[in-house]
Amino acid sequence: EPEVTQTPSHQVTQMGQEVILRCVPISNHLYFYWYRQILGQKVEFLVSFYNNEISEKSEIFDDQFSVERPDGSNFTLKIRSTKLEDSAMYFCASEQGSSGNTIYFGEGSWLTVV
Amino acid sequence: AQSVAQPEDQVNVAEGNPLTVKCTYSVSGNPYLFWYVQYPNRGLQFLLKYITGDNLVKGSYGFEAEFNKSQTSFHLKKPSALVSDSALYFCAVRDASGGYNKLIFGAGTRLAVHP
Repeated sequence: EPEVTQTPSHQVTQMGQEVILRCVPISNHLYFYWYRQILGQKVEFLVSFYNNEISEKSEIFDDQFSVERPDGSNFTLKIRSTKLEDSAMYFCASEQGSSGNTIYFGEGSWLTVV
Repeated sequence: AQSVAQPEDQVNVAEGNPLTVKCTYSVSGNPYLFWYVQYPNRGLQFLLKYITGDNLVKGSYGFEAEFNKSQTSFHLKKPSALVSDSALYFCAVRDASGGYNKLIFGAGTRLAVHP
């Protein structure tokens, strides 16, 4: 079964450093998402991406965050200058292209900012 | 605005007994409703969804959920719980009227099935 893959599975970074989280969505999917989950808490929407541009973003997704689909397969989330409160599990997700479709999630990337 | 409420932080069930995990939602238009399960240190795994049609939907691992429009609920059920069902369960809603909208998740309910 096709799946969303994410790398790295875990990254530890120092406060103020830049981090790039990478995702390979399911190959025929057109809509891409990043969500995050702070330890043991709610899964929060960050951003949605379609046709090479952001379609929607949450208030969490401030100027420190950016997304990119550099080569037609990867979908990346960049955090420019990490803060302690950015420590969370980051989930990439994708869907084929209809709002009734299922959004499929990757296994997540654990980011720990120290 | 969309929202989801999962009123129970934890549900405890004995193995073999039926289980119910509750979910209520709020959307301005028609809802698309989803259940996901998260095992420890893992991603979100799709269980089932309601889009349209029969109010009772069946999903993976013997789970089912009933859409109740008047009560704005979408409770997850299973007739006979297994210890391996122990996990964190998330209900999610999407507003069907606005195109490819984001999923909004509830806070999650931890299901503990005891032998």
